[in-house]
Amino acid sequence: EIVLTQSPATLSLSPGERATLSCRASQSVSSYLAWYQQKPGQAPRLLIYDASYMATGIPARFSGSGSGTDFTLTISSLEPEDFAVYYCQQRSNWPRTFGQGTKVEIK
Amino acid sequence: QVQLVESGGGVVQPGRSLRLSCAASGFSYSSYGMHWVRQAPGKGLEWMAVMWYDGSNKYYADSVKGRFTISRDNSKNTLYLQMNSLRVEDTAVYYCARDQRNYGDYGYFDYWGQGTLVTVSS
Repeated sequence: EIVLTQSPATLSLSPGERATLSCRASQSVSSYLAWYQQKPGQAPRLLIYDASYMATGIPARFSGSGSGTDFTLTISSLEPEDFAVYYCQQRSNWPRTFGQGTKVEIK
Repeated sequence: QVQLVESGGGVVQPGRSLRLSCAASGFSYSSYGMHWVRQAPGKGLEWMAVMWYDGSNKYYADSVKGRFTISRDNSKNTLYLQMNSLRVEDTAVYYCARDQRNYGDYGYFDYWGQGTLVTVSS
């Protein structure tokens, strides 16, 4: 199975700062990678799919990039509601797998 | 609006069975593949199973293959997960999620239910 490794585990930033989250795959997933946001007590929300396409209703401050094995989720300027846990997920191979998550916390 | 509502969770002893349901509304349920994803307490997300929109294909994670069975009733707009031989490590919140694209398995999850908690404990 494809292992997705996210870094860092925790990112401590202030509102207005730029957040850069990384996801590395154990083998190439082409561009078949998504990012999700999860807040405490809530279900995950799809942000980005196929590495760089924004899901419906997602603010433009979220962007994704990468291909092959290295991917990045960027939040250009953190809003208070963006402090959450972010997961990457691949659909290249079975089984579908998720990264372990990056927590973006308020500094 | 799209709505997914899970039910059927609870406390069960190891080795016993449980069936989860996911009632869908607000979209053409019979046109979409549907998934189960779980999350152990304080842990990350783990994909469990998918069933094609017409029930023609299904896939499972190795951790549940042979113990869990995904099914659907398109006449009732409902997805099911039959969980047998439950283990302590199956304790988690179980989410149903809609596949992002219709008529296939695109492999991303664009709508999620609120989840139902399954606790396996003696």
